[in-house]
Amino acid sequence: QLQLQESGPRLVKPSETLSLTCTVSGASMSIYSTYYWAWIRQPPGKGLEWIGSIYTSGSPYYNPSLKSRVAISIDTSNNQFSLNLFSVSAADTAVYYCASQQHSGSYSVPNLDYWGQGTLVTVSS
Amino acid sequence: DIQLTQSPSSLSASVGDRVTVTCRASQNVRSYLNWYQQKQGRAPKLLIYAASNLQSGVPSRFSGSGSGTDFTLTISSLQPEDFATYYCQQTYSNLIFGGGTKVEVK
Repeated sequence: QLQLQESGPRLVKPSETLSLTCTVSGASMSIYSTYYWAWIRQPPGKGLEWIGSIYTSGSPYYNPSLKSRVAISIDTSNNQFSLNLFSVSAADTAVYYCASQQHSGSYSVPNLDYWGQGTLVTVSS
Repeated sequence: DIQLTQSPSSLSASVGDRVTVTCRASQNVRSYLNWYQQKQGRAPKLLIYAASNLQSGVPSRFSGSGSGTDFTLTISSLQPEDFATYYCQQTYSNLIFGGGTKVEVK
């Protein structure tokens, strides 16, 4: 069973870059070669928003609404993947989750099966 | 972009009630529809994947149905631990969540 844990600064200044790392434990990421690894966020009191996902081999894809400001990378040797969100504003204040993304069923439907506990990042000067 | 509309946005129910939550997609998403449960202050938990498949370890009182644009999550007999917010998610085109349905104590 996988465990995921987010880490990084909890306070970021406006216009700066929000950087988070997700550490995966319980198994080597390289074993999960068919998995993607995802970032999701949730502003206080609001719903869930997918930020982007990256394949174990390194190909990312992003939410079109955030694509111009996001970069996700992966380091399978350290069992980690990372999020960089550039030029942040108060609207980026949220709980940020990392998750594993499996593909299940006869149609290989993507879904998020394991989640980190989440970390609240506040954008404020 | 494919949008998901959940209804109702909230509902009040009692233990033992049968609860139904609906999710409508703005375009055909085939069976690329998942359901999650989120309790206050906790990460979401996968309940149902590919519209009707129960995730391992999830109680059988949860079920999902539908395909195309109309989907349903049903809790056959609501238990105390089921009071939470439920989200649908389409993964046919990117990953998009519905707005959520909060199940509250009546």
